[in-house]
Amino acid sequence: DAGVIQSPRHEVTEMGQEVTLRCKPISGHNSLFWYRQTMMRGLELLIYFNNNVPIDDSGMPEDRFSAKMPNASFSTLKIQPSEPRDSAVYFCASSTEYYEQYFGPGTRLTVT
Amino acid sequence: AQSVSQHNHHVILSEAASLELGCNYSYGGTVNLFWYVQYPGQHLQLLLKYFSGDPLVKGIKGFEAEFIKSKFSFNLRKPSVQWSDTAEYFCAVNDMNRDDKIIFGKGTRLHILP
Repeated sequence: DAGVIQSPRHEVTEMGQEVTLRCKPISGHNSLFWYRQTMMRGLELLIYFNNNVPIDDSGMPEDRFSAKMPNASFSTLKIQPSEPRDSAVYFCASSTEYYEQYFGPGTRLTVT
Repeated sequence: AQSVSQHNHHVILSEAASLELGCNYSYGGTVNLFWYVQYPGQHLQLLLKYFSGDPLVKGIKGFEAEFIKSKFSFNLRKPSVQWSDTAEYFCAVNDMNRDDKIIFGKGTRLHILP
């Protein structure tokens, strides 16, 4: 298996632009998680899905952030409009019922 | 609410020194426990996990962890560290009776001097 796939790996954008991050979980995994990692705040859970349904989005910072999972093999995290404080590494992870999470390589987002 | 505490934010050791990183969690029910490692510039990778059975768990690269239920602890150990162990280590807990969410600790940055 290729593992969790994320794209793009790096994204540089200007403040105010829309940013879309993509994730393909490991086939057969039924839970998907979006995390944000910064030096200041560490690793933060933004939202997670189970069987394509959002279960807990309490970590989503504000309305500028939205996430979707239209099917079992694809999820997006969108930021609109983006701000410099959104600069971070965004990780996607997936798991089965055994709860062990497998992380993707991350997307390094820089908003100037 | 569940929480995970990692006592040391930054640890510096010389090669061949022994390592113990502390981890305590707040939830008293049945839990799954994990240690993840993040090497510089990389993503988190599972180091070891405890679901049930022998409370002494052995993971990859010579790491082990001991689950002590009475102390709500899951400390990570390695008898002799190497320079390549330089990384950030995260303890994590899942409430088996609740949901799939894993609660991560703040992480411990380990720096090994050659």
